[in-house]
Formats: sequence, structure tokens, C-alpha cells
Amino acid sequence: DQQVKQNSPSLSVQEGRISILNCDYTNSMFDYFLWYKKYPAEGPTFLISISSIKDKNEDGRFTVFLNKSAKHLSLHIVPSQPGDSAVYFCAATQNRDDKIIFGKGTRLHILP
Amino acid sequence: DTEVTQTPKHLVMGMTNKKSLKCEQHMGHRAMYWYKQKAKKPPELMFVYSYEKLSINESVPSRFSPECPNSSLLNLHLHALQPEDSALYLCASSQVQHSGANVLTFGAGSRLTVL
Repeated sequence: DQQVKQNSPSLSVQEGRISILNCDYTNSMFDYFLWYKKYPAEGPTFLISISSIKDKNEDGRFTVFLNKSAKHLSLHIVPSQPGDSAVYFCAATQNRDDKIIFGKGTRLHILP
Repeated sequence: DTEVTQTPKHLVMGMTNKKSLKCEQHMGHRAMYWYKQKAKKPPELMFVYSYEKLSINESVPSRFSPECPNSSLLNLHLHALQPEDSALYLCASSQVQHSGANVLTFGAGSRLTVL
């Protein structure tokens, strides 16, 4: 049973526009959510996190929104740039547990 | 040094071979991980070492044997693997950040092919 779900396998966005990547989760005990970005032939790299006690966290062009009642989070990238083309993984963890659960990922294509 | 280094980058082995994957970090992180990733799938947790002790084993078959010789090194010993074990094996280390989030730093991975 998938505890972290990314239902869109891919997304195409025009350069300069906003990219919105979505993630749903089932475990209400998760207390931290993280986004990772992965280029081909490289390991995932950490982008941004959010604690379950917040509903928004911003870092430069990246903003993560958390809706606890809907068990939903989203990553907004604005403006989108060509270097943002990658696979984005949503991840969640509980009580600073070392067991970090990943979603299946969404491939983002930034179109020129 | 802010990297996790994995060797080899690519490995091809037969089902009767014994080989090892190696991972190294010098960031002083207390936890080290092995993940397995197959195409179009998320990384799947295999093992976690915390302060050099095995803290999580996700029911991984015994043909995979982890070893943590010291706080900077993590090995994955491979023996009698099956073709379905072919995958990208990712090593990571982690540290709890100021925000409270436990953030993983991944290596580039070792691409394993079992013939």
C-alpha cells in the first residue's frame, strides 16, 4: 500500500510559467515532508521540506504548500527554468524516523 | 566535503559471483542508508545504519549483506544474486537539519546488472 502518492507521472510546463507538482499521503502520523529532484545518472538531491505544523515553506523559486486536512502537498516552482527539467520525488517521514517513504516521482519537462 | 561517494558506478556480475558496493561520506552524518531503485519506481529502502549499528532491515533477502566498518563507510556485499536484482543502488547519509527535518544526501548510485 503506497503511503505517498504522486499520481502524475509527467508534467510539461512552458519556461517562465509556474510548475505545480502534487503529492498525496495516507499516513496522518507523518510529520515532515520533503521534495527531492533527480537528474539522470545522478542521485536525488534535496530541495525543500515542510513540517506538519506549517502550511507553507518558501525557498527562492520553490514553495511547498501543505493541506493537512486533505493530506495533500504541492511544490510550486516559479518561474520555471530549463534546468528544472528532472524527476521530482515527494517523501515523508514520521517522528524524525530514519525510514523515509518516497512517492513514485513526477517527470517535469520545461518547454522552451 | 558535502558528498556521498559510491563505487563502482557500474557493475556487471553473474549469478554465482561475489561482489561489493562501497559508499563513503565525510560529513559526520550519523545515519547511512542503502536504497534500491528500479526504472520508473521510487527508491525503496533496504537498510539503515545509525551510529554504525544496523537499525532498519526492510526484510531484504540474505543475498544482500550490509556492513558498516566505521562512521564514514558503508558496504553492500552481494552474493548469488538474481537477474531481478538488477537496479540502481543508492547510498545516502542523513542529518537532522535546523528545521527538524531528517534530510538525506544521496550518492550518484551504482548501476548493477546481474546476468
